[in-house]
Amino acid sequence: AQSVAQPEDQVNVAEGNPLTVKCTYSVSGNPYLFWYVQYPNRGLQFLLKYITGDNLVKGSYGFEAEFNKSQTSFHLKKPSALVSDSALYFCAVRPEGFKTIFGAGTRLFVKA
Amino acid sequence: DAGVTQSPTHLIKTRGQHVTLRCSPISGHKSVSWYQQVLGQGPQFIFQYYEKEERGRGNFPDRFSARQFPNYSSELNVNALLLGDSALYLCASSPSTGVNEKLFFGSGTQLSVL
Repeated sequence: AQSVAQPEDQVNVAEGNPLTVKCTYSVSGNPYLFWYVQYPNRGLQFLLKYITGDNLVKGSYGFEAEFNKSQTSFHLKKPSALVSDSALYFCAVRPEGFKTIFGAGTRLFVKA
Repeated sequence: DAGVTQSPTHLIKTRGQHVTLRCSPISGHKSVSWYQQVLGQGPQFIFQYYEKEERGRGNFPDRFSARQFPNYSSELNVNALLLGDSALYLCASSPSTGVNEKLFFGSGTQLSVL
């Protein structure tokens, strides 16, 4: 079965420190992987995606993600966290064109 | 350009009633998907429509139905509401159905079933 797992319910970091939000996936075939962010009372916003090519993907707002095929991971990273990065982050896989499967989400809290 | 718009933003219903949620995609987008997001969980796929045809359906009961109109807007209908249907219902649009396409989400309809 196709799935994604986000092992941490919450990640706490200090402003200015690097952040990592973890994601592992299980798919058959080529993995098409995405990260989305959700702010309170809002829909999800696209951050970045991995389709093929370089394992390090750069996205919006200074975020990047590293695809690791051997570890079946797609961790979201940012070199220097901002308080405004505090939000709910979802990893997702799109095994077929009509359906996206989301993880349970990780709440990121950045402390000033 | 306007983003994905959903209406209403909030809705309160009682058990057994039915509800209709509406979604207008981004101009030029022909695919509309519906997701249910229960508090504390990730969005769960309900339906996808493309060019007015159902292209995919998630693991939801037949009480859930949807349709897409010629202008690509969409409605999600839920009959015989249950308490467990309380959730944020998200609509997402994309130009087509490619696996590498990102989704553009609306702000959702918060449904409360009492």
